[in-house]
Amino acid sequence: DIVMTQSPLRLPVRPGEPASISCRSSQSLLHRNGYNYVDWYQQKPGQSPQLLIYLTSIRASGVPARFSGSGSGTDFTLKISRVEAEDVAVYYCMQALQPTWTFGQGTKVEMK
Amino acid sequence: QITLRESGPTLIKPRQTLTLTCSCSGFSLSTAGVGVGWIRQPPGKGLEWVGLVYWDDDVRYSPSLKSRVTITRDPSKNQVVLRMTNMDPVDTATYFCAHNRVGYNFYYYGLDVWGLGATVTVSS
Repeated sequence: DIVMTQSPLRLPVRPGEPASISCRSSQSLLHRNGYNYVDWYQQKPGQSPQLLIYLTSIRASGVPARFSGSGSGTDFTLKISRVEAEDVAVYYCMQALQPTWTFGQGTKVEMK
Repeated sequence: QITLRESGPTLIKPRQTLTLTCSCSGFSLSTAGVGVGWIRQPPGKGLEWVGLVYWDDDVRYSPSLKSRVTITRDPSKNQVVLRMTNMDPVDTATYFCAHNRVGYNFYYYGLDVWGLGATVTVSS
């Protein structure tokens, strides 16, 4: 299995500040088609997860521009340019390169 | 509009078999490229990928659950069924189904629509 390791696991931020979450995979997630198969999901308290980013950097429909994804190979990052109160949630990375997919442990973003 | 809805028992005894149904609307399970995945989340914990079935009956399972899990597709009802045998209290979780789509040259669109989840408790 590919192991996905997120850091930090808890991220206190102030509104308006930037936030960054790292995700490292135990194997390269680069497909021969040139895409890295990493998604980011947001799960707000009491809700189902929602897709934020797929294929490393493509924002899903309706996702605000303050969310961005980057990376390649084994190192990936989710950035929130200016955190808003509604961004309080747990964020998960997930690899979809192998036939069996795996999630990271999750990073809890909370307000200071 | 794509929607998915999970249904099944809320309480199940140890060693019994769990059967959950994901009822899909707004898309067809027979359309090329379409897939439906199952993901579970124990109370207060993270997400665990369980498995996935594609339009062509290509099925994938988590290695840790493979011996106990079966995922099938019923195109006539537009439903996906998850079956998990020999349930244990550690399998207590909310089980989600989610829509996926793949395109030309393996282009992939993520798990873009999720159901609300079905909470299953395993207890005697």
